[in-house]
Amino acid sequence: DVKVTQSSRYLVKRTGEKVFLECVQDMDHENMFWYRQDPGLGLRLIYFSYDVKMKEKGDIPEGYSVSREKKERFSLILESASTNQTSMYLCASSLSGFRYGYTFGSGTRLTVV
Amino acid sequence: AQTVTQSQPEMSVQEAETVTLSCTYDTSESDYYLFWYKQPPSRQMILVIRQEAYKQQNATENRFSVNFQKAAKSFSLKISDSQLGDAAMYFCAYRLSNQGAQKLVFGQGTRLTINP
Repeated sequence: DVKVTQSSRYLVKRTGEKVFLECVQDMDHENMFWYRQDPGLGLRLIYFSYDVKMKEKGDIPEGYSVSREKKERFSLILESASTNQTSMYLCASSLSGFRYGYTFGSGTRLTVV
Repeated sequence: AQTVTQSQPEMSVQEAETVTLSCTYDTSESDYYLFWYKQPPSRQMILVIRQEAYKQQNATENRFSVNFQKAAKSFSLKISDSQLGDAAMYFCAYRLSNQGAQKLVFGQGTRLTINP
């Protein structure tokens, strides 16, 4: 069964820590995405990647960076975690082509204290 | 700005009844796909149904169907014979043909409750 795997389901970090959220897909998808999900705001795009070592900013990239060294892995990095980054983080992947939907991971609920 | 609006934050329906979730969107593009995703309490987002903007025929997947009105930029989801397992957050989204990586733009979501 094809899937997107996020390394942690729940995570608690302290303010100022550097945080790594990992995402791995086994479908050979070109595109990978990081969204954050907050009540009443839906899903907002943080960063996305359409190829290895390629990345583009989404709508809310401030405070985040990403890394894609291999096709199957897309990492989200919080350089210095802050309480306003407490959220649900969803990783997704897709084939190239707008007819395709995303395959999502199960999400990481991050709490910054 | 490219936006998707779901005007109903919450809805409820009796089991076995029919419910319609609303979605409107704003884009100047003519070629795009529209999607409905379901997010149950397990948090796994699941694709429910998709519709190509160039197709006039409304998409149908078992008990799920859409009412696509391109001129009105409306894309509502109808769930027939509602089941307890349909309880979830539902997100409407579109994907344009001319954007890098063709990212999905999502609405705010509608929480659907099924009453037994």
